[in-house]
Amino acid sequence: QQQVKQSPQSLIVQKGGISIINCAYENTAFDYFPWYQQFPGKGPALLIAIRPDVSEKKEGRFTISFNKSAKQFSLHIMDSQPGDSATYFCAARTTSNTGKLIFGQGTTLQVKP
Amino acid sequence: GAGVSQTPSNKVTEKGKYVELRCDPISGHTALYWYRQSLGQGPEFLIYFQGTGAADDSGLPNDRFFAVRPEGSVSTLKIQRTERGDSAVYLCASSPGRDRVQYFGPGTRLTVL
Repeated sequence: QQQVKQSPQSLIVQKGGISIINCAYENTAFDYFPWYQQFPGKGPALLIAIRPDVSEKKEGRFTISFNKSAKQFSLHIMDSQPGDSATYFCAARTTSNTGKLIFGQGTTLQVKP
Repeated sequence: GAGVSQTPSNKVTEKGKYVELRCDPISGHTALYWYRQSLGQGPEFLIYFQGTGAADDSGLPNDRFFAVRPEGSVSTLKIQRTERGDSAVYLCASSPGRDRVQYFGPGTRLTVL
């Protein structure tokens, strides 16, 4: 069953604008929440990640906001650039001894010049 | 250093045929994961290796799927009697350990005609 739900499915933002992608999870047995960026024909690449004991993490133009009680987290891309146009996936890592990732469905971001 | 590599990059086969997909992880990474990404979806976990052993194969859809990692480095995903529904991008990821970042390869796009 789907344990990580991501929205919106697609997003169009003007250059310089803020892109916001939201995720919600249904299982509390997660210990790490990464965001991956994927370009066509490429594998996902880690963008930024957060642990559940932290409410916000910022790296350059990218910020994760995490709400543990609501089981929600979001990615904010400030000053969005055309080069940010890609598909973004949120994920949650299980606390089991495997460390497998459960991914959201993905958000296709298009930043218009 | 070199990232995760996967071969072939594309594989077209006929229904009922056998295929092998190869993953070369980052040198020294003990953890190796296989994921499957269907069109427009996030990656879905298939199997996890810690060293040579498959520590978690709960994501394999049925017994037509099998994976090995005999020397704790290269891994091969094997699919018998392929079906059209097996068409997807098969991603491999490696990590220094289950609680560390997973680095993804570019994937193998499998098309079953």
